[in-house]
Order: sequence, then C-alpha cells, then structure tokens
Amino acid sequence: GEDVEQSLFLSVREGDSSVINCTYTDSSSTYLYWYKQEPGAGLQLLTYIFSNMDMKQDQRLTVLLNKKDKHLSLRIADTQTGDSAIYFCAERNYGQNFVFGPGTRLSVLP
Amino acid sequence: AAGVIQSPRHLIKEKRETATLKCYPIPRHDTVYWYQQGPGQDPQFLISFYEKMQSDKGSIPDRFSAQQFSDYHSELNMSSLELGDSALYFCASSLEGLTTPSTDTQYFGPGTRLTVL
Repeated sequence: GEDVEQSLFLSVREGDSSVINCTYTDSSSTYLYWYKQEPGAGLQLLTYIFSNMDMKQDQRLTVLLNKKDKHLSLRIADTQTGDSAIYFCAERNYGQNFVFGPGTRLSVLP
Repeated sequence: AAGVIQSPRHLIKEKRETATLKCYPIPRHDTVYWYQQGPGQDPQFLISFYEKMQSDKGSIPDRFSAQQFSDYHSELNMSSLELGDSALYFCASSLEGLTTPSTDTQYFGPGTRLTVL
C-alpha cells in the first residue's frame, strides 16, 4: 500500500531556515501537499505541488520534489516562533483520499 | 473563500453512547472524506462519498456508519462509543474534475474533537 514517511522532530533557531523532508512510495501520486497543524487545531493547507513539477516557491516556503527518488521537501526561510507546529506531508491521487505522513514536529528556539 | 464546516466542534460522550458528526463541504464540491486523528497520530482515512454514494472505505469500525445527503453534506454516526474513539475527526471535500487546487482553498474542515469518558 501507499506509505509516507517523515522524520518526527526538527529543531531550529529563529531566523534560520528549516527543511522538512518526506518520502513516499506511490509513484502514481498526482498531488503532494504540506499541511501545518498547531496544537489542538485543524489542518492548514500550506502549499502543494503537482507531480510534474520539481519546485514551487510561495513567499517563505519552497517545495522541492525529486520524483525519481520520491522525495519531497519543504523549506521555510527565516523561521519564526509562530512556525512551531506539526507539519504533515500528504500525497493524493486524482479522486482518491489523502495519505498522510506521521508529521514532523518543528520547534523554533529563540 | 468558503471552507468546509464541521459541527459540533467539540463533543463529550460517555462509553456506549452514540454520536453524530456533521460535515458541510465547500459549495459545489461533490466528494466528502472522513478522517480520524488520534492523539499524537497522523490522520487516518475512514470513508469517502462521491455523489452520495460510498466511494472508498478505510479503517472505519463496524460501529461507525456514514452517509452523504442530497445537499452533499455528510454525517458520521458512531455507536457504542469506546474510550479509544476519542480523537479529532476531520472532514475534507473535493470536486472531482478539479485539476488546479488553489492554496486559498481549505480542503479540510476544522475538525470535531470527540472525547469519550
């Protein structure tokens, strides 16, 4: 079956860049997403990338996709304390449900 | 932009009681998905509906059932509640045929936090 993996924890200093990595197994994934979840809150869509793209930039966020290695990364530039949250990588095929990774807990140190 | 609406936002029940969670999808979306997120876990897919018919089934217990109505809203019915059912339940919606998802569109609702005592 489909599987999505992420490292569980990441700690960075305020102002540094954060890079959160994700690997997936389903080579037919159409869309790949990054969601942010703050404590006790819902899933906030941060950004997405189509499988036929290799990079997408959106303000402080840069998504890189290596389709050959099935590797997705999210880079957050100038990380702030408000970025502390759990970041979920998710993949989805056209018309199918989301498959989520376990989430990476990002801690931003002052 | 309109988002997915879920109600109630919080629900407290006792063991063996029943609960009904409601989801109102983004207008014109025809597909609804339900997910369960336990404490410290990633969301797990339960069930989905497309045009009021069940389209896919995940790890949904037999004690749970769901349906999608003519106005496309969906309800998740949970019976004989157990302590382990305490979780955040998310609904998500999509429009099949939507090939350019917008980052302004929140696919997921805010969730219903169910606590079983």
